[in-house]
Amino acid sequence: EIVLTQSPGTLSLSPGERATLSCRASQSVTSSYLAWYQQKPGQAPRLLIYGASSRATGIPDRFSGSGSGTDFTLTISRLEPEDFAVYYCHQYGSSLQTFGQGTKLEIK
Amino acid sequence: EVQLLESGGGLVQPGGSLRLSCAASGFTFASFPMTWVRQAPGKGLEWLSAIGASGDTTPYADSVKGRFTTSRDNSKSTLYLQMNSLRAEDTAVYYCAKYSASGTAGRVYAHWGQGTLVTVSS
Repeated sequence: EIVLTQSPGTLSLSPGERATLSCRASQSVTSSYLAWYQQKPGQAPRLLIYGASSRATGIPDRFSGSGSGTDFTLTISRLEPEDFAVYYCHQYGSSLQTFGQGTKLEIK
Repeated sequence: EVQLLESGGGLVQPGGSLRLSCAASGFTFASFPMTWVRQAPGKGLEWLSAIGASGDTTPYADSVKGRFTTSRDNSKSTLYLQMNSLRAEDTAVYYCAKYSASGTAGRVYAHWGQGTLVTVSS
């Protein structure tokens, strides 16, 4: 099983600032099959990024993904008030898919 | 519009069984693999299992292997999760989600149900 470790656990920033979230895999993720999801309280997750760097339909271009192998990053260029939420990375290259433990992005 | 509606959650005693359903609409259900993901209260997401369009299943997460079974009825556009030998640690919101396409690249989930809560307690 591929273990995904996200850091930091909590990130405190202000609107307008840049956010950088990290996801590290215990082994290489096949073909960069790495996605990012956003989740707000009481809601289902929302797909942001797939294939490590492709934005899902309707996702603003302030969200970007990068990385390959074992190290991946989600960057939010200029935080909007609605971006404060929990973010999860997800590897789907293995038949046993896994999620990271999440990074909570909170308002400073 | 794609819609996924889970049902069947509730309170069950440890060792008991429950079957969750996920009714799909707005797309050709028989053409898409599906998956189950759960989230314990205040915790993160945990992938559980997936099933191909024709009913072939992938390996289950270790936490539910041998106790949970995923199946589907394409004639009813419905996905199921049979949960046996339930434990307190199975308490969670259970989500069904739709693959974006067949194959490994399609294992991204743009469409999710609203979730159904399962509580395992005596």
